[in-house]
Amino acid sequence: GAVVSQHPSWVICKSGTSVKIECRSLDFQATTMFWYRQFPKQSLMLMATSNEGSKATYEQGVEKDKFLINHASLTLSTLTVTSAHPEDSSFYICSARDWASASTDTQYFGPGTRLTVL
Amino acid sequence: AQSVTQLGSHVSVSEGALVLLRCNYSSSVPPYLFWYVQYPNQGLQLLLKYTSAATLVKGINGFEAEFKKSETSFHLTKPSAHMSDAAEYFCAVSDGGSQGNLIFGKGTKLSVKP
Repeated sequence: GAVVSQHPSWVICKSGTSVKIECRSLDFQATTMFWYRQFPKQSLMLMATSNEGSKATYEQGVEKDKFLINHASLTLSTLTVTSAHPEDSSFYICSARDWASASTDTQYFGPGTRLTVL
Repeated sequence: AQSVTQLGSHVSVSEGALVLLRCNYSSSVPPYLFWYVQYPNQGLQLLLKYTSAATLVKGINGFEAEFKKSETSFHLTKPSAHMSDAAEYFCAVSDGGSQGNLIFGKGTKLSVKP
């Protein structure tokens, strides 16, 4: 149980294009989903928190117009990197908070998406 | 504010030896504490979690961690390392708030020598 998937697992795009990354909770409903960014050999940096049916909460320094988050259902959140540039190249990881474990704040993580912008 | 400090960015042990990965936390409220493992180019997998029940927490793959309030520590141990344990390990803390934000340590890379 508690499986989170991400699609695609890797993507290469040209500078100036937009890329959408999907995060799905496969066997549970997620009250909240999170999007992280991880640079090589570094820890995870929380980008934003999304709740189903409401606007995402972005961390300080994260451009909400550049990183669009949509949490359309209790099992799906999407991150769209708009007008991507080479500096947006990174490993993006999502996580989902299970309703059943909400009281213990357990997050289940997706396998990550490697974005490379040429 | 909460924070997590992982002592040692890189730990190397021999196969069969004890694994000890250190984590100290700072929290103004009773914390929830987690250890996650990350294999190369993969997401994070939950190893174990402390949620104010038993102070000694057993996780998957033979790992366990002990919550010590007096030392504000939550060190991860495994009696006998396997080659397959080589990975990056992250300690994280949550305050149990409505958003459930996790604060991660910088990670410790575990290498296992044959």
